Amino acid sequence: ETGVTQTPRHLVMGMTNKKSLKCEQHLGHNAMYWYKQSAKKPLELMFVYNFKEQTENNSVPSRFSPECPNSSHLFLHLHTLQPEDSALYLCASSQSRSSYTFGSGTRLTVV
Amino acid sequence: KQEVTQIPAALSVPEGENLVLNCSFTDSAIYNLQWFRQDPGKGLTSLLLIQSSQREQTSGRLNASLDKSSGRSTLYIAASQPGDSATYLCAAPSNTGKLIFGQGTTLQVKP
Repeated sequence: ETGVTQTPRHLVMGMTNKKSLKCEQHLGHNAMYWYKQSAKKPLELMFVYNFKEQTENNSVPSRFSPECPNSSHLFLHLHTLQPEDSALYLCASSQSRSSYTFGSGTRLTVV
Repeated sequence: KQEVTQIPAALSVPEGENLVLNCSFTDSAIYNLQWFRQDPGKGLTSLLLIQSSQREQTSGRLNASLDKSSGRSTLYIAASQPGDSATYLCAAPSNTGKLIFGQGTTLQVKP
């Protein structure tokens, strides 16, 4: 374990389903992030939370809804996704701009 | 605005060779620079973090350097092994905490 735990590791969902990705960090960091990585593409930042407050939304479609109930937990709620949303979703945490730690990711497939 | 570039995109070397991966950045007022490793379909593993006040960091067969004046960082891998095959990413944080990634170098070490 890297200190950032993501569940589930794999998820297959239909376009009409609602599901959630979970991220938990055990490092006492004050910032958490969601990244998307599509096949053969660079990492795309989706959302940034500092001290539970969303500080950046990188023009992400509303079918992705983040939630940060406390500084240790981060969720990504998914609904009415499209097949092109299939990707590896990575969570990360950091203490301000210091060392970033990533989770193992959730491999999402939308069918 | 910080921009990070990695060249080459791919590199193939025989086992045992020493090699250098390159990372360039545009803003010399860099806070820190972090090197990551990513195996296919997996999350990012942090390899080395260099603070702006440091010139280099070492961990085992890995050595990372930082030269702010030239806007360059290098990751040196000694005595490469097939298990080193992966994509290597360098990244620097923006003022808002967003990690700016290079495009990555995919390394293949042939037995």
